[in-house]
Amino acid sequence: DIQMTQSPSSLSASVGDRVTITCRASQSISSYLNWYHQKPGKAPKLLIYAASSLQSGVPSRFSGSGSGTDFTLTISSLQPEDFATYYCQQSYSTPETFGQGTKLEIK
Amino acid sequence: QVQLQESGPGLVRPSGTLSLTCAVSGGSISSSNWWIWVRQPPGKGLEWIGEIYHSGSTNYNPSLKSRVTISVDKSKNQFSLKLSSVTAADTAVYYCARKVVPAALNWFDPWGQGTLVTVSS
Repeated sequence: DIQMTQSPSSLSASVGDRVTITCRASQSISSYLNWYHQKPGKAPKLLIYAASSLQSGVPSRFSGSGSGTDFTLTISSLQPEDFATYYCQQSYSTPETFGQGTKLEIK
Repeated sequence: QVQLQESGPGLVRPSGTLSLTCAVSGGSISSSNWWIWVRQPPGKGLEWIGEIYHSGSTNYNPSLKSRVTISVDKSKNQFSLKLSSVTAADTAVYYCARKVVPAALNWFDPWGQGTLVTVSS
């Protein structure tokens, strides 16, 4: 199985901050990397697919980059509704695996 | 737009079989997508369980393969999950989702709201 490792595991930030979350794959996955966020009691929601493509309806303050083994999710200016847990997911091979999550909290 | 809704018992006895159904609305289950199950134990991360195509082709997580069956009912536009010999470790919120596969790249969207299944006597 491909292991996905996110850092940090948790992060405190303020509204308006620029935030970056990283995701590393245990082997090269090209651009087969997706990002989701999840609010308490809710299902995950797709933000970024194929490493850098913004899902329709997702605000442009979200962006993704990377290829191979190293990827980043950036939120350019945090809004109150962005405080959630963020997961990366590799779709290169089955079993499709997720990172352990990054909990983004209000400072 | 496509919407998914999970249904099934919220409580399953140890050693029993967990059975869930995911109803698809707003689109056909026979479209060029795969349909997946993911679970999330309380307070933990996400685990992919497996997937099915409308033809009946399946892929399962090797860690669960011996206990999992995913099936599709095209007449009802739904797909189902069965997990046998359950233990407390199978207690989780179970999500169904669509796996969009426009080319080789793929992603999960949308997701159902999830249903909590507790394994307890």
